[in-house]
Amino acid sequence: DVKVTQSSRYLVKRTGEKVFLECVQDMDHENMFWYRQDPGLGLRLIYFSYDVKMKEKGDIPEGYSVSREKKERFSLILESASTNQTSMYLCASSRTGGGDTQYFGPGTRLTVL
Amino acid sequence: DAKTTQPPSMDCAEGRAANLPCNHSTISGNEYVYWYRQIHSQGPQYIIHGLKNNETNEMASLIITEDRKSSTLILPHATLRDTAVYYCIVRPATSGTYKYIFGTGTRLKVLA
Repeated sequence: DVKVTQSSRYLVKRTGEKVFLECVQDMDHENMFWYRQDPGLGLRLIYFSYDVKMKEKGDIPEGYSVSREKKERFSLILESASTNQTSMYLCASSRTGGGDTQYFGPGTRLTVL
Repeated sequence: DAKTTQPPSMDCAEGRAANLPCNHSTISGNEYVYWYRQIHSQGPQYIIHGLKNNETNEMASLIITEDRKSSTLILPHATLRDTAVYYCIVRPATSGTYKYIFGTGTRLKVLA
């Protein structure tokens, strides 16, 4: 069974804090993604990575950074959390190749006060 | 922008088949149709995908019209746990790091 796990289901942080969201996949997938999901806005891609130490900006990278030191782990970092980063954060992974399915983690609901 | 159109909501009686339609009239020849669902406050769950032929797995069946402009996801015996938002997506077959675009989906409510 495919498995993508995220470090926390719910997280509450204060404005200005540095926040780390961790994602781990056990499928040996090359590609990993971070999305955020907000009501009425659907899924928006923040960053993705196609290999270890490689990263590409998505549609809304401002205020975020990522790290991929190992193939199975992809971290999303909020350098200085702000209230407009309150959201559901979803991690996904996929293999490289035609028709590669993205498998999602359970999500982290982050609230920034 | 999402390239699919789905009804905003549907109800289905428990134990009956749930048929969820999706219109993708601008689909290209190399694009797959994917279906995911999202139960409240959880991550999207992959259900099934197809290119041209009908597909079936342990969760559902996918019927794609011959012109590929629309498809139907069938949950053969809906249960209360199938209550969720269902998303239909089209995406290129050759990709690697394709950005998924989820539309508004269909909110399916299974009634006891």
